[in-house]
Amino acid sequence: NAGVTQTPKFRVLKTGQSMTLLCAQDMNHEYMYWYRQDPGMGLRLIHYSVGEGTTAKGEVPDGYNVSRLKKQNFLLGLESAAPSQTSVYFCASSYDTLTNTGELFFGEGSRLTVL
Amino acid sequence: RKEVEQDPGPFNVPEGATVAFNCTYSNSASQSFFWYRQDCRKEPKLLMSVYSSGNEDGRFTAQLNRASQYISLLIRDSKLSDSATYLCVVIPHNQGGKLIFGQGTELSVKP
Repeated sequence: NAGVTQTPKFRVLKTGQSMTLLCAQDMNHEYMYWYRQDPGMGLRLIHYSVGEGTTAKGEVPDGYNVSRLKKQNFLLGLESAAPSQTSVYFCASSYDTLTNTGELFFGEGSRLTVL
Repeated sequence: RKEVEQDPGPFNVPEGATVAFNCTYSNSASQSFFWYRQDCRKEPKLLMSVYSSGNEDGRFTAQLNRASQYISLLIRDSKLSDSATYLCVVIPHNQGGKLIFGQGTELSVKP
């Protein structure tokens, strides 16, 4: 079972370059999320989606865009990368709202460095 | 003030020790609480939910104190394999069910 798959796992960018992180889940989950994790900051929500064709802003959305054209895929784009976007990015999914189970299924993470 | 705060540690304990972590949250209307575990350079995974009456899963005990707005995780008879970062997670009321993560507490269990 693949679960949640993120690509690429590692990437080095120069300031101003663009890139897209791909997230795919095979669990038929409605909800998908993009987080970033930085030392001392914990996981912070960038954008999320409650279903195909919908997206919403999280806690730190500036500098990122997302799309959910298909239920199984959630794309995170950086249009003009900045050094402040150096981080580990995690994609996650859940079947429904998290109030009851609180269980997110995470991908393995994507380490992005912006020089 | 951060919505969810944890002592980052590291907590260095010998095998067999009992160790406890606390986590405070600022939103008194928070409705759901969880502990996640994250191994070094890996993704977080749900360890256990925290119920109002307290709950236990093997060597792990989670407790909630709503009056003082903190949750705790107690690990008994620590194993080397318990070495990880433990993330406190809160779901505030009326925020669409989004999870708020603490920065994590690092535990290192030594032989």
